[in-house]
Amino acid sequence: AQSVAQPEDQVNVAEGNPLTVKCTYSVSGNPYLFWYVQYPNRGLQFLLKYITGDNLVKGSYGFEAEFNKSQTSFHLKKPSALVSDSALYFCAVRGGFQKLVFGTGTRLLVSP
Amino acid sequence: DTGVSQDPRHKITKRGQNVTFRCDPISEHNRLYWYRQTLGQGPEFLTYFQNEAQLEKSRLLSDRFSAERPKGSFSTLEIQRTEQGDSAMYLCASSMIFGQETQYFGPGTRLLVL
Repeated sequence: AQSVAQPEDQVNVAEGNPLTVKCTYSVSGNPYLFWYVQYPNRGLQFLLKYITGDNLVKGSYGFEAEFNKSQTSFHLKKPSALVSDSALYFCAVRGGFQKLVFGTGTRLLVSP
Repeated sequence: DTGVSQDPRHKITKRGQNVTFRCDPISEHNRLYWYRQTLGQGPEFLTYFQNEAQLEKSRLLSDRFSAERPKGSFSTLEIQRTEQGDSAMYLCASSMIFGQETQYFGPGTRLLVL
């Protein structure tokens, strides 16, 4: 079965510093990977996805993610964090019938 | 804005009552999904429609839950005889039918069962 793991419950970073939110995956076949962000009491907003092609995927709001097949990882990155980036981030992999299988989420806290 | 919409945004009900939620997908999207998210967890898949056909249901979807998409447009999710364990955020998403299309989520309906 497809699954993702987000090993960190929370990531703390100072504004202006680079940030990384980690995700590892387990799939049979080609992985289709996604990152979403969730603000309090809101639905999920799509950030980016990896289907095929370049290992570095660029997405919304300056976020990017690096796909690493040998390490089965899909870490989310941003060169310079903003306080407004503070939110809950979810990694997901496509399972059967197009459904998404989500990780448990990582809370990002960016301090001024 | 032509994003996914859900109604109501919040619902408080007493145990044993029935509740129904509505989801309106992005207009050109053929696929529609329901997920449930409990506090501190990621969303969990419940069911999936392609046009009006319900193609998959999770084991999470007990016989008290039913979902419909009668004309291939909006969808409803009904929970009968609600239990306190049904308290959660119910999320709807939609996507195009081709390839690995992105799922776009609505704002969710937060259900509290007292």
